[in-house]
Amino acid sequence: QVQLVQSESKLEKPGASVKISCKASGYTFTNYILNWVRQVPGQGLEWMGWIDTNTGNPTYVRGFRGRFVFSLDTSVSTAYLQISGLKIEDTAIYYCARIPNNYYYFDHWGQGTLVTVSS
Amino acid sequence: DIVMTQSPDSLAVSLGERATINCKSSQNVLNTSNNKNYLAWYQQKPGQPPKLLIYWASTRASGVPDRFSGSGSGTDFTLTISGLQAEDVAVYFCQQYYNSPLFGQGTKLQLK
Repeated sequence: QVQLVQSESKLEKPGASVKISCKASGYTFTNYILNWVRQVPGQGLEWMGWIDTNTGNPTYVRGFRGRFVFSLDTSVSTAYLQISGLKIEDTAIYYCARIPNNYYYFDHWGQGTLVTVSS
Repeated sequence: DIVMTQSPDSLAVSLGERATINCKSSQNVLNTSNNKNYLAWYQQKPGQPPKLLIYWASTRASGVPDRFSGSGSGTDFTLTISGLQAEDVAVYFCQQYYNSPLFGQGTKLQLK
């Protein structure tokens, strides 16, 4: 069955960097676009952008350009989200999520990685 | 930019009763070329990721019980849960994918 398994929660200081992983299994990794979605605890869902798992080409939503980097290691069917220059307001749960075709509804989600930024 | 507005923000329904959640888009999400509404619904329980319930406004995702149904077209959509069960307590989000994916603010469903 399709699974997206993310790395464990992280506690980081302001200004630091963090890298979150999302390991896929149960399907051909390069056949499906992967997305990243942010959720501030207790709040709504915000789409951050996507990465073409076939080409490695990332696309970032306005507001997530600059400090946020999507990358891949197709040899281990894993996508990564790196956030640099962490700010307090980056504290959130970050989800990877797959779209089943070229239409952007999300059929499978990782379990989420909580990133806490605190001094 | 499209704005997705759900109503109500929260509601309490008795076991076995019907729950109705509304979602309004500020722009039309019906693509007339394929006659599809680019609207999805998700369920999120505490400590869990969202789970896809409905896509194309009315198509149930695999494994979703038939007590969940979606309706509507254009700018106004409804998620109906018929015969509420205890495990349906959750936050529900609508999401349009006509343009860049955008979620509603969520509706918290509780037991009365």
